[in-house]
Amino acid sequence: EPEVTQTPSHQVTQMGQEVILRCVPISNHLYFYWYRQILGQKVEFLVSFYNNEISEKSEIFDDQFSVERPDGSNFTLKIRSTKLEDSAMYFCASRGQGSPLHFGNGTRLTVT
Amino acid sequence: GQSLEQPSEVTAVEGAIVQINCTYQTSGFYGLSWYQQHDGGAPTFLSYNALDGLEETGRFSSFLSRSDSYGYLLLQELQMKDSASYFCAVLPYSWGKLQFGAGTQVVVTP
Repeated sequence: EPEVTQTPSHQVTQMGQEVILRCVPISNHLYFYWYRQILGQKVEFLVSFYNNEISEKSEIFDDQFSVERPDGSNFTLKIRSTKLEDSAMYFCASRGQGSPLHFGNGTRLTVT
Repeated sequence: GQSLEQPSEVTAVEGAIVQINCTYQTSGFYGLSWYQQHDGGAPTFLSYNALDGLEETGRFSSFLSRSDSYGYLLLQELQMKDSASYFCAVLPYSWGKLQFGAGTQVVVTP
């Protein structure tokens, strides 16, 4: 069964550094998402992406965040200058038209 | 906007049946989804109701009533491995975000 893949599984970075989290969505899906989950809290929406542009973003998704689909398969989340409070699990997800969301296994980001 | 409410925790013994309710306030949507998440893991898709009524997938069933703005997930023949958080989520007509409830922690005891 096709799946969403994310790399790396764990990223440790120092405060102020830039990180790029990578995702390969399911190949025939059209809608792409990033969610995050701070330890012990619920899954929070960050951004959705469709037709090569952001379709919606949350208040969490400020100017420090950006997303890109640099080619036909990858979908990346960049955090320009990480803060301690960015430490969380980051989940990429994708879906087809009207179909449920499928999540990747996540990247655990630890900012020290 | 969307808001979804579900109980924070449910405890039951192995072999029992558990029903997790989800009430929502939202405008038009494709359907109601349910996800399971074990500690530290990714949300895993369990079930999706596009239409009113019951959907059965093995030991898990899900129900939707749009007129009552209500759905539930039914877990039957509970097993220890079913201990996890369960989230309901609404998929809106727009291509926007899937909004999750806060999750229900299911604790299965021997």
